[in-house]
Amino acid sequence: GENVEQHPSTLSVQEGDSAVIKCTYSDSASNYFPWYKQELGKRPQLIIDIRSNVGEKKDQRIAVTLNKTAKHFSLHITETQPEDSAVYFCAASGSGNTGKLIFGQGTTLQVKP
Amino acid sequence: DTAVSQTPKYLVTQMGNDKSIKCEQNLGHDTMYWYKQDSKKFLKIMFSYNNKELIINETVPNRFSPKSPDKAHLNLHINSLELGDSAVYFCASSRQERTEAFFGQGTRLTVV
Repeated sequence: GENVEQHPSTLSVQEGDSAVIKCTYSDSASNYFPWYKQELGKRPQLIIDIRSNVGEKKDQRIAVTLNKTAKHFSLHITETQPEDSAVYFCAASGSGNTGKLIFGQGTTLQVKP
Repeated sequence: DTAVSQTPKYLVTQMGNDKSIKCEQNLGHDTMYWYKQDSKKFLKIMFSYNNKELIINETVPNRFSPKSPDKAHLNLHINSLELGDSAVYFCASSRQERTEAFFGQGTRLTVV
């Protein structure tokens, strides 16, 4: 079935360090991979996304890489700041043209000042 | 000028009651969704509608019934509420498949 595995479940880093979150997906037909940030008590909000025809995408301190062969994709945050503390979710598009997203289990990132 | 809005934000109710959550989007999107986020923060899709037509119904108990009166609205009605229904329910919309999904602020449902 469709599945997205996300690791680690929690991540604690010092301010200024980098953070990396990794995901694997099962459906080889998935071709859209968004990352969402959810602050406590708030809605998930898109921070970056990548499509299967691209291997890497960067937006300021955030980058995402995709390895379609291995069905892996990763989020990289550099020069972390306390306001980066949140729960991060990876997702992969589900089968068919439904817009359905299969979410990973989430990673709680804590950036210590 | 909220893009995806849902009401109410909080809902506390007793077991066995029936309740509804409303969702509206002003983005002109064709597709709307309901997601459930459980106590472990896991986000799982429940339903998806495209132009008022149901296109996804993940194995959700039939006590949950979505209704889309038009493509800007997707409501969720829940019958005979159970303790296990307690969760945060998010409405979302997207322009088309494989594009950004915009989420509403969530409805925290607590069944007592």
